[in-house]
Amino acid sequence: GEDVEQSLFLSVREGDSSVINCTYTDSSSTYLYWYKQEPGAGLQLLTYIFSNMDMKQDQRLTVLLNKKDKHLSLRIADTQTGDSAIYFCAENTAEDTDKLIFGTGTRLQVFP
Amino acid sequence: EAGVAQSPRYKIIEKRQSVAFWCNPISGHATLYWYQQILGQGPKLLIQFQNNGVVDDSQLPKDRFSAERLKGVDSTLKIQPAKLEDSAVYLCASSFSGAEAFFGQGTRLTVV
Repeated sequence: GEDVEQSLFLSVREGDSSVINCTYTDSSSTYLYWYKQEPGAGLQLLTYIFSNMDMKQDQRLTVLLNKKDKHLSLRIADTQTGDSAIYFCAENTAEDTDKLIFGTGTRLQVFP
Repeated sequence: EAGVAQSPRYKIIEKRQSVAFWCNPISGHATLYWYQQILGQGPKLLIQFQNNGVVDDSQLPKDRFSAERLKGVDSTLKIQPAKLEDSAVYLCASSFSGAEAFFGQGTRLTVV
């Protein structure tokens, strides 16, 4: 079955690193994504990783993929108050439809 | 380039009334998605179009929801009649290759 799970909340101090975790079930997913949603806004694609990669780095963002454990993480270095938002991981199903299955989202709160 | 446009931004209706949402995808994007995001949950795919054909509508409540994408560009999503549990944000997204989906700001529907 298709299921993507995330922890609900994460609170970090400004300047620290944040790590948001996600587990998924479809081992044949082609891509895995991280989206950011600010209050009242749509989803903003932050980054994605191809399933044959272990790691992808993009400025302050580092994505780690453990295919064996079906575990995806997003590390945000030097977290800022502007990073406060809900972060969704999503998997692209193996079917041809390119359907995205989203997790429940992790609310990141950054305090000074 | 212009992003995905959706209207209206907000809609309040009484139960059993009808409502329609409109989406204009990014130019050249063949794939268009409608997602439903209930408060506190991740987005759930309702329907996916490839050009003007339906690729996946397995989670669309077809007794009350309908969607069309005439000429393979703009799309409308309709609910008739609405129920209280339809209160949610309806997100439209489009993609060119399937690897990256870009989301609109969404339409927040409140059914009272």
